[in-house]
Amino acid sequence: GESVGLHLPTLSVQEGDNSIINCAYSNSASDYFIWYKQESGKGPQFIIDIRSNMDKRQGQRVTVLLNKTVKHLSLQIAATQPGDSAVYFCAENLASNTGKLIFGQGTTLQVKP
Amino acid sequence: NAGVMQNPRHLVRRRGQEARLRCSPMKGHSHVYWYRQLPEEGLKFMVYLQKENIIDESGMPKERFSAEFPKEGPSILRIQQVVRGDSAAYFCASSPAIRGGSYEQYFGPGTRLTVT
Repeated sequence: GESVGLHLPTLSVQEGDNSIINCAYSNSASDYFIWYKQESGKGPQFIIDIRSNMDKRQGQRVTVLLNKTVKHLSLQIAATQPGDSAVYFCAENLASNTGKLIFGQGTTLQVKP
Repeated sequence: NAGVMQNPRHLVRRRGQEARLRCSPMKGHSHVYWYRQLPEEGLKFMVYLQKENIIDESGMPKERFSAEFPKEGPSILRIQQVVRGDSAAYFCASSPAIRGGSYEQYFGPGTRLTVT
């Protein structure tokens, strides 16, 4: 069915370390993916996106990797900071869709000082 | 450049009352999406609108829920005869005209609805 899920509900890392948050999606027809960060009491904040014709995209301190063979998406955060503590969601869009996003359940990232 | 605006930020309604949630998209954005988030869960798509048109309402409950995006003014999500199960955070997102298959959506701060 249509679902986007994450492997781990909570990830705890030391400040300064790199973080890797994983996401599995089930629909091979998805052609667009987004990572969002959500802090407590706030709306999701866009981090980075990637189209299905790419396998890697880099932003400032973040990298998204897409493996279409195994339908896996990951978000890498370099030199994790306390301000990165939040819930991270991956979302997918089906090529046939109107633009609606299908969200996973979220991974909580905890950064230890 | 203001982001997506939503109001009210918090709304308390008794069972049976009506809830009206407002969303003003980012300047220049003509596409509006509504999502609902239950505690400890991801966001669930409800409806996608363009000015004066509902494009996709596949996530909207069949009864009591309606949405509009008039030519002038904000988008409105309306919930009639609210029940406790409607308690959730409701997020609005907007995007510019879809180009090249990218659906980059920017979210507002949400309206937290509590039904007592």
